[in-house]
Amino acid sequence: KAGVTQTPRYLIKTRGQQVTLSCSPISGHRSVSWYQQTPGQGLQFLFEYFSETQRNKGNFPGRFSGRQFSNSRSEMNVSTLELGDSALYLCASSLSGTEETQYFGPGTRLLVL
Amino acid sequence: KNQVEQSPQSLIILEGKNCTLQCNYTVSPFSNLRWYKQDTGRGPVSLTIMTFSENTKSNGRYTATLDADTKQSSLHITASQLSDSASYICVVSGGLSGYALNFGKGTSLLVTP
Repeated sequence: KAGVTQTPRYLIKTRGQQVTLSCSPISGHRSVSWYQQTPGQGLQFLFEYFSETQRNKGNFPGRFSGRQFSNSRSEMNVSTLELGDSALYLCASSLSGTEETQYFGPGTRLLVL
Repeated sequence: KNQVEQSPQSLIILEGKNCTLQCNYTVSPFSNLRWYKQDTGRGPVSLTIMTFSENTKSNGRYTATLDADTKQSSLHITASQLSDSASYICVVSGGLSGYALNFGKGTSLLVTP
């Protein structure tokens, strides 16, 4: 089975721009979660999608949003980028939710200048 | 506030030696505890996931223990190999919302020849 894939792998943007990241989960997995990882804060939960619905949300501003499509693929959007948004954005999938083992993708490294 | 504290922050050991990483948490109510291994530039990979009733779980040379009474977990690595060099992240699921994932900041392990 193919693993979780994320595109793009690297991205450079400037402050004020917006960005969309994509995640394709493992086939059959319906839960997709997004995380932000920075050296100072470590891993932080952004949100989880299941069957095209946002089921859980972390403590991030509304500039961070996401969606899930009927094939379980998910996108994450960050609007009005700030320098502090520079991070590794990780996507993880599981069969039915965050309560079980999640499988992570390689991440998208975003640099905001 | 739900917290997960890992120690040590970093560790250097010689190849072939054993080591133990610690994770203390205050998350309540508790659902499960996971250990992840994250190689540089990659997404985390699940090593173990333990529920309240499990005291010990092994995955090859990795053995995790859980003491739910003292809210402590440890990850023991036996006969370390160079490929064990990575960051090890403790994640505790639980809290009043039920599905919240609480992340430790990780222990960075370097195994040297």
